[in-house]
Amino acid sequence: GEDVEQSLFLSVREGDSSVINCTYTDSSSTYLYWYKQEPGAGLQLLTYIFSNMDMKQDQRLTVLLNKKDKHLSLRIADTQTGDSAIYFCAESTEAGNMLTFGGGTRLMVKP
Amino acid sequence: EAGVAQSPRYKIIEKRQSVAFWCNPISGHATLYWYQQILGQGPKLLIQFQNNGVVDDSQLPKDRFSAERLKGVDSTLKIQPAKLEDSAVYLCASSLGGQRAQYFGPGTRLLVL
Repeated sequence: GEDVEQSLFLSVREGDSSVINCTYTDSSSTYLYWYKQEPGAGLQLLTYIFSNMDMKQDQRLTVLLNKKDKHLSLRIADTQTGDSAIYFCAESTEAGNMLTFGGGTRLMVKP
Repeated sequence: EAGVAQSPRYKIIEKRQSVAFWCNPISGHATLYWYQQILGQGPKLLIQFQNNGVVDDSQLPKDRFSAERLKGVDSTLKIQPAKLEDSAVYLCASSLGGQRAQYFGPGTRLLVL
């Protein structure tokens, strides 16, 4: 079955850039997503990218997709303490279909 | 625009008891999902509805879990009887049919003792 993997933990200093990485195995993945989860809260959709794109930028967020290597990354510029959360990568294979999530990367931002 | 609503937010029960969770999706969203998120893991899909029909329930433990969406809007997820390993956060999400983005509610945190 599909598998999505992420590193467990990332620590950065406030103002630095953060890069969170994700790898997936399903070559038929069509859409790839990044969600943010703060303690005790649900998942907040940050951004998503279609598999025919290799980059998407949205304010401080940049998503890079290497479809050949099945590697997705999320770069957060000028990371703030409010960005501290767990970030989940997820993939789906067709519109409206189930999401397969990675285990999440806990981002800690130090002042 | 109101987001996905879920209740209760927290529930503590003893094993073998029953419990039910409620979800109200974003207005107009035809597709509704229930996910189970065990502590330290990513969410896993339990069931997907399109309007009031089930699209995918292959991961739902049907011997104890049931879900319905009778009028194609609100949905309930029930566990009967609960086991210790059912302790998790139960997340409801919705999306416009044919659109990819799923929007999540705050979740119901279940603890089975």
